[in-house]
Amino acid sequence: QQQVKQSPQSLIVQKGGISIINCAYENTAFDYFPWYQQFPGKGPALLIAIRPDVSEKKEGRFTISFNKSAKQFSLHIMDSQPGDSATYFCAASGNQAGTALIFGKGTTLSVSS
Amino acid sequence: DAGVTQSPTHLIKTRGQQVTLRCSPKSGHDTVSWYQQALGQGPQFIFQYYEEEERQRGNFPDRFSGHQFPNYSSELNVNALLLGDSALYLCASSLTNSGNTIYFGEGSWLTVV
Repeated sequence: QQQVKQSPQSLIVQKGGISIINCAYENTAFDYFPWYQQFPGKGPALLIAIRPDVSEKKEGRFTISFNKSAKQFSLHIMDSQPGDSATYFCAASGNQAGTALIFGKGTTLSVSS
Repeated sequence: DAGVTQSPTHLIKTRGQQVTLRCSPKSGHDTVSWYQQALGQGPQFIFQYYEEEERQRGNFPDRFSGHQFPNYSSELNVNALLLGDSALYLCASSLTNSGNTIYFGEGSWLTVV
């Protein structure tokens, strides 16, 4: 089954708090897991990505945690800021050149000041 | 370094008409993918072009067709437009053999009335 399930659908976090978005996949052939950030009226922008040979990847305030056995991965946004308010999409794809990205349905994050 | 550029940004078409959307990939990229993003949903893969050939196709009807030119730019054509075709159409570019990283343009908003 080529599916990526994302939760929660929406999230409200206080400024300075930690935002956590979770995704689960079914296809064990997936080996690339990016997160995209999308602001209203804009295209998705690549935020951070991970491959299953590592369990965690950190870039600034953004961290991906990956659990291969559970087929789950999550995005953690530390010290969340109002400027982080956007829709976040997880995605997954296989390792062959040209393999399409399968996206989750998105999480709308609102960071209140 | 120009990113992925798309045109037009917005357009309104009548049911039954045909539409052509255009995309110029990021400099140095040779692969172009098209995605459809309905309101409140994640992007869905339409098809991908590499070396002027359709390399992979998602679950979209034949009304959706495309083309890639020798300069790697691409067009998406949709015939016999339906109300349900109203969406944001995203072009994404990548470089084959450099991993799965893809970069999206800002999209073309299509409204079918």
